[in-house]
Amino acid sequence: AQSVSQHNHHVILSEAASLELGCNYSYGGTVNLFWYVQYPGQHLQLLLKYFSGDPLVKGIKGFEAEFIKSKFSFNLRKPSVQWSDTAEYFCAVNVKTMEYGNKLVFGAGTILRVKS
Amino acid sequence: DTEVTQTPKHLVMGMTNKKSLKCEQHMGHRAMYWYKQKAKKPPELMFVYSYEKLSINESVPSRFSPECPNSSLLNLHLHALQPEDSALYLCASSLSTGGEYEQYFGPGTRLTVT
Repeated sequence: AQSVSQHNHHVILSEAASLELGCNYSYGGTVNLFWYVQYPGQHLQLLLKYFSGDPLVKGIKGFEAEFIKSKFSFNLRKPSVQWSDTAEYFCAVNVKTMEYGNKLVFGAGTILRVKS
Repeated sequence: DTEVTQTPKHLVMGMTNKKSLKCEQHMGHRAMYWYKQKAKKPPELMFVYSYEKLSINESVPSRFSPECPNSSLLNLHLHALQPEDSALYLCASSLSTGGEYEQYFGPGTRLTVT
């Protein structure tokens, strides 16, 4: 079955520290990859997405992610985090199923807390 | 307008009640989704509507009944729910069900079943 793994459930960083959140997926076909963020009390928002082309994609608020096909990974990075980046981050993979077509599968999420 | 709205924000219902959740978008999206999110868990897909037709039902119990009256509206009718159905119910929409289209999420309805 298709699955998405996020390596860390909780991450605590100080402001200005660098961030890398791991995401691996198990699906052999063509994938579309997403990172969503959920700030406290707010709804899920798209951070960035990868469909094709340059495997290094840039998103909002200084985030970027790199798709490494050979490693089935799509890790999220930010060089210098801010207190306002405190949120829960979800990696998601859109997989094509034989029965239904496309379906978005989420990882378990990583809660990031940035200390000011 | 890139907003998906959901009503109500909070709902408390007994196990014998019938209630409905509503979702609306005016982005011209032709795909709409219902997800269930339990505390500290990721969203789990329940239903997908494509061009107002149900295209995915993820083996959801019949006490949840979706309805798509038109391309902008999505309802979830609830009847005879169980306490374990308490969760955040999220609605989302996308241009179509093609994998390259991002989904826009609403703020959710926090449901408590007593």
